[in-house]
Amino acid sequence: QSVLTQPPSASGTPGQRVTISCSGSGSNIGRNTVNWYQQLPGTAPKLLIYPNNQRPSGVPDRFSGSKSGTSASLAITGLQSEDEADYYCAAWDDNLNGWVFGGGTKVTVL
Amino acid sequence: EVQLVESGGALVQPGGSLRLSCAASGFTVSRNYMNWVRQTPGQGLEWVSLIYSGDNTKYEDSVKGRFTISRDFSKNTLYLQMNNLGAEDTAVYYCTGGHSLDFWGQGALVTVSS
Repeated sequence: QSVLTQPPSASGTPGQRVTISCSGSGSNIGRNTVNWYQQLPGTAPKLLIYPNNQRPSGVPDRFSGSKSGTSASLAITGLQSEDEADYYCAAWDDNLNGWVFGGGTKVTVL
Repeated sequence: EVQLVESGGALVQPGGSLRLSCAASGFTVSRNYMNWVRQTPGQGLEWVSLIYSGDNTKYEDSVKGRFTISRDFSKNTLYLQMNNLGAEDTAVYYCTGGHSLDFWGQGALVTVSS
């Protein structure tokens, strides 16, 4: 059971917009920034969005993040086949004194 | 270019010990937040441990007292000493660098089984 809650799956056709939610609590998302990671099949996770809504160099601007209260979301606009991956949200938890992750959302491009 | 390369993953018997290493290039282990994160086969990510300024450390509750995170300045390498391993520790272990878990290694598979 993950501390942060994400839907297990999401899907869309090429060019569509897909959003993934991440729900937490006051001790994690409510007090700290949220990062998003993309894990392509058979590879290590890669930082996609930090903190809340910034993109590291090289990440396309069709990926965007937002946060409100104890929830956050990742949006992929103009969905492409190479976006098929697992996506994880993460935040520091002040009560647990460690990083907490969502259970991951598998994005499928139909 | 930042590279983190883990090594030391193996098959180990329950109750055994193992030390993982993470060699860094293009990135200074001693000056950055360094974490270990694990992923059980087909499952999600779980944070394990953090080492940061002044060699302060934090651990996930289930590994406290069994795992020790450390780093070697001269070798620019991060370590995770794992003792009294159990089946629940079977996972791919990733070292990550940076305040936002910015950079990830390719992972080291640890399998605990008799």
